[in-house]
Amino acid sequence: EPEVTQTPSHQVTQMGQEVILRCVPISNHLYFYWYRQILGQKVEFLVSFYNNEISEKSEIFDDQFSVERPDGSNFTLKIRSTKLEDSAMYFCASSVGSGFGELFFGEGSRLTVL
Amino acid sequence: SQQGEEDPQALSIQEGENATMNCSYKTSINNLQWYRQNSGRGLVHLILIRSNEREKHSGRLRVTLDTSKKSSSLLITASRAADTASYFCATDNTNAGKSTFGDGTTLTVKP
Repeated sequence: EPEVTQTPSHQVTQMGQEVILRCVPISNHLYFYWYRQILGQKVEFLVSFYNNEISEKSEIFDDQFSVERPDGSNFTLKIRSTKLEDSAMYFCASSVGSGFGELFFGEGSRLTVL
Repeated sequence: SQQGEEDPQALSIQEGENATMNCSYKTSINNLQWYRQNSGRGLVHLILIRSNEREKHSGRLRVTLDTSKKSSSLLITASRAADTASYFCATDNTNAGKSTFGDGTTLTVKP
């Protein structure tokens, strides 16, 4: 069964460092998303991406965040200068359509900022 | 209350019993989805119910949606220890695929 894959599964970084989280969405999906979950809290929407541009972003997704689809398969989330409060599980998801279908989530990348 | 709030926050039952979790939301929606998350793992999609549907079944899962009350329920029948997980509802009210998740219900099924 096709699945969304994410790397790395866990990354530890120093505050102020840049981090890139990678995702390979399901191949025939057109919409891509990043969500995050701070430990013990709810899953929060960060950004949605379609046709090589951001469709929608949340207040959390400020200037330190960026997304990119550098090639036909990868979808990346970059955090330019990490803060302690960026420590969370980051989930990538993809869907065939928007607003009409289920989201397929990856297993997540745990980011720990020291 | 926030969009997509589940109750109860925690539920503990014996294997074989049914588990019912509720979700309330505030704005109009395109669809409502239920997800499951095992501890430390990713989210697994369980079932999607559209705003024009009232009930949906999938195996041991039954989801209802009452748009007049802005609420949904997830029923897991004949629960198993392997059903132990957190369950989240998520609402989609945009055309950008942004889903808003609730706080989740932590279900413990005792063998």
